[in-house]
Amino acid sequence: GENVEQHPSTLSVQEGDSAVIKCTYSDSASNYFPWYKQELGKRPQLIIDIRSNVGEKKDQRIAVTLNKTAKHFSLHITETQPEDSAVYFCAASKTSGGYNKLIFGAGTRLAVHP
Amino acid sequence: GAGVSQSPSNKVTEKGKDVELRCDPISGHTALYWYRQSLGQGLEFLIYFQGNSAPDKSGLPSDRFSAERTGGSVSTLTIQRTQQEDSAVYLCASSLVGGSSGELFFGEGSRLTVL
Repeated sequence: GENVEQHPSTLSVQEGDSAVIKCTYSDSASNYFPWYKQELGKRPQLIIDIRSNVGEKKDQRIAVTLNKTAKHFSLHITETQPEDSAVYFCAASKTSGGYNKLIFGAGTRLAVHP
Repeated sequence: GAGVSQSPSNKVTEKGKDVELRCDPISGHTALYWYRQSLGQGLEFLIYFQGNSAPDKSGLPSDRFSAERTGGSVSTLTIQRTQQEDSAVYLCASSLVGGSSGELFFGEGSRLTVL
């Protein structure tokens, strides 16, 4: 089955710096790669996703890149702010006919210091 | 309802007891997931229900764990003969199959503590 590895497990940056979180996946048939943000004591929420037919997607200060050949994808956060502090999870799935079993990475705890 | 609802929000039980956790997904969502999140850890996949198809139970850690989904809506996760290592937050999520996004909507979770 699918296995997703995520690095680093913790990341500390100064406000205004960029943050990059990387994930690798094992199943070459996976075609959907979302990122979820979980603030302390709250439920995970989708922040951005990418499908395998594109290499990059941006939404304001966040972007995700995908390298299908290498089977890895990354989350980039620019101009970080204290409210970006949270745990970020990458995930991968092989969507087919509506089937969408998401396997998550272990998470990255991001701390943005003012 | 407006979102995914889970109950109880907190459950403290003694080792060896059985527990039932309930999930009420968003109306119209045909996919339902259970994940387990141990303290400070990631989201461990447990089970996935997809419409009327047989559920994907490949993530259940032992035969003490089972889940069912009645009428394609409410789901119950049952843990028999609980052990201390079962202590975790159990998260339920649902999604709309066939939409342009595969977004999962999570509940607040059920925090299980086994003494």
